[in-house]
Amino acid sequence: AQTVTQSQPEMSVQEAETVTLSCTYDTSESDYYLFWYKQPPSRQMILVIRQEAYKQQNATENRFSVNFQKAAKSFSLKISDSQLGDAAMYFCAYLFGNEKLTFGTGTRLTIIP
Amino acid sequence: DSGVTQTPKHLITATGQRVTLRCSPRSGDLSVYWYQQSLDQGLQFLIQYYNGEERAKGNILERFSAQQFPDLHSELNLSSLELGDSALYFCASSDPLSSGANVLTFGAGSRLTVL
Repeated sequence: AQTVTQSQPEMSVQEAETVTLSCTYDTSESDYYLFWYKQPPSRQMILVIRQEAYKQQNATENRFSVNFQKAAKSFSLKISDSQLGDAAMYFCAYLFGNEKLTFGTGTRLTIIP
Repeated sequence: DSGVTQTPKHLITATGQRVTLRCSPRSGDLSVYWYQQSLDQGLQFLIQYYNGEERAKGNILERFSAQQFPDLHSELNLSSLELGDSALYFCASSDPLSSGANVLTFGAGSRLTVL
């Protein structure tokens, strides 16, 4: 079974600085998708960024970028120029085909003004 | 607004009771997923429906059941409720045919409190 591991339960960063959240996963598949979801205090699940495993280029969405290391099964999220509104729980997730989305346990990110 | 509508937003009930959570997927999405998120936990997959048919089942208790109706809305029924069933229940929808990735769009969740 696929598993997703987020080894950092909590992280903090100074406003305007850069922070990296870690995620590793386990799969025997070669073609799959990886996601980062953000859950602010409102509890809404918001898609931050996605990566297709067959693409070597790392995905980027404005201040959010990923470092996808397929051989190492690593998928970290980098947030640049951190803003107060980035404070949230961040969940890494794995998807193969049309199967269920498997989530990690989350990393709580605090932004220090 | 994500386009996925969940009702009710909040629900407080007693142990032993039964409740129904409702989800209307985003227009055009055929798949509906239910997830459970207990306090400060990750999201646990419960069940998936695709165009009215059950597609996948996760760690869903026998006291829980779900269905997807012809108009594609879905209901999650929780019975013989226990204190441990208190959680945020998310519905998500997707249309696997619209893009290469089966991107899930989540509703705002239904918060269930069992007293």
